[in-house]
Amino acid sequence: EDQVTQSPEALRLQEGESSSLNCSYTVSGLRGLFWYRQDPGKGPEFLFTLYSAGEEKEKERLKATLTKKESFLHITAPKPEDSATYLCAVQSGGSYIPTFGRGTSLIVHP
Amino acid sequence: DAGVIQSPRHEVTEMGQEVTLRCKPISGHNSLFWYRQTMMRGLELLIYFNNNVPIDDSGMPEDRFSAKMPNASFSTLKIQPSEPRDSAVYFCASRPLDGTEAFFGQGTRLTVV
Repeated sequence: EDQVTQSPEALRLQEGESSSLNCSYTVSGLRGLFWYRQDPGKGPEFLFTLYSAGEEKEKERLKATLTKKESFLHITAPKPEDSATYLCAVQSGGSYIPTFGRGTSLIVHP
Repeated sequence: DAGVIQSPRHEVTEMGQEVTLRCKPISGHNSLFWYRQTMMRGLELLIYFNNNVPIDDSGMPEDRFSAKMPNASFSTLKIQPSEPRDSAVYFCASRPLDGTEAFFGQGTRLTVV
């Protein structure tokens, strides 16, 4: 059974204070690891897909990296508008169903 | 494309009533998922359709829940009878044939009183 654990549950940063969110996973043959952003009252918004260890993807102040056991979402010089819940999900090769972690709630103070 | 469209956005109903949630996936997508999100349990898969056929419904809580996908552009999730513990946000997501990532709708917030 695919498992995803995200840490920390909540993170408060000052504007400009860089940090990282962690996603640890257990999966039988990774088909893809996904990062989503979810704003209050809205559906998860797709950010990145990572397929293999060593892969990295960037979008504005966000950078996602992947190893064989975990993924990190690095946030560089965050702004208040980066405040949201960030969700990680994995999909194994034998399954077509993404399994989600509980998310990290990020608040960036001005 | 307008993205995944769900209706209604909010639903308040009394215990014992029937509730029907609706979803229009992105055109051309052949996979559809229904998820439920609560503070306690996060995002949980309820059911997965591929090419309009239910493939995995192991997440459907009990017989009170049923889902249909009569065609490629429409799906429903029905709860009958509803109970207060069904209160949650229900999301529909769709995925293209050659893709891995799923795209979510805005969700339906269900409150059963």
